[in-house]
Amino acid sequence: TQLLEQSPQFLSIQEGENLTVYCNSSSVFSSLQWYRQEPGEGPVLLVTVVTGGEVKKLKRLTFQFGDARKDSSLHITAAQTGDTGLYLCAGASGNTGKLIFGQGTTLQVKP
Amino acid sequence: DAGVIQSPRHEVTEMGQEVTLRCKPISGHNSLFWYRQTMMRGLELLIYFNNNVPIDDSGMPEDRFSAKMPNASFSTLKIQPSEPRDSAVYFCASSSPSGSVYQETQYFGPGTRLLVL
Repeated sequence: TQLLEQSPQFLSIQEGENLTVYCNSSSVFSSLQWYRQEPGEGPVLLVTVVTGGEVKKLKRLTFQFGDARKDSSLHITAAQTGDTGLYLCAGASGNTGKLIFGQGTTLQVKP
Repeated sequence: DAGVIQSPRHEVTEMGQEVTLRCKPISGHNSLFWYRQTMMRGLELLIYFNNNVPIDDSGMPEDRFSAKMPNASFSTLKIQPSEPRDSAVYFCASSSPSGSVYQETQYFGPGTRLLVL
């Protein structure tokens, strides 16, 4: 059974601080996606990484896919209150659209 | 553009009752996914369809759950009989073909919050 473990589960920081969220597995994935979910809404895709070692940047967010395509990280620089939410990583394997989701990291950014 | 539409948004029912959740995917999308989200288990895939055909239903908890997709613009998830442990938020998502299937973006609906008393 493929599993994705996210850490930390909860993170509470002050505005302006940096943070990193990790997503780890013992399985290899064809791609790794990061989603952000706000209360009362469905997850929204932030990024998809496909190649081992790939790094993608989205404004203050930096996403990295591990060389072996088993892990990923999300780094936020100078967090803002608007970054508050649930961050989910999701892995796709083989040639299907099926995603395995991690448990999520709840981020609270305080003013 | 209208996103994925789910109804109802909230449902409160009593144990033993039948519950039907509805989903209208984004027009032109050919894959549809049903997920369940709880604090304990996170977001779990229940079943997904491609071109209206069920491809993988290995996540469906048990025979009390069934899903149908009679056409490209409508899907239902039915729970009969419902139990308190079915209480969760149920999401529907859809995606369109774009090269590699494992790079497709899934667009989620707002979810149906189900409470079984």
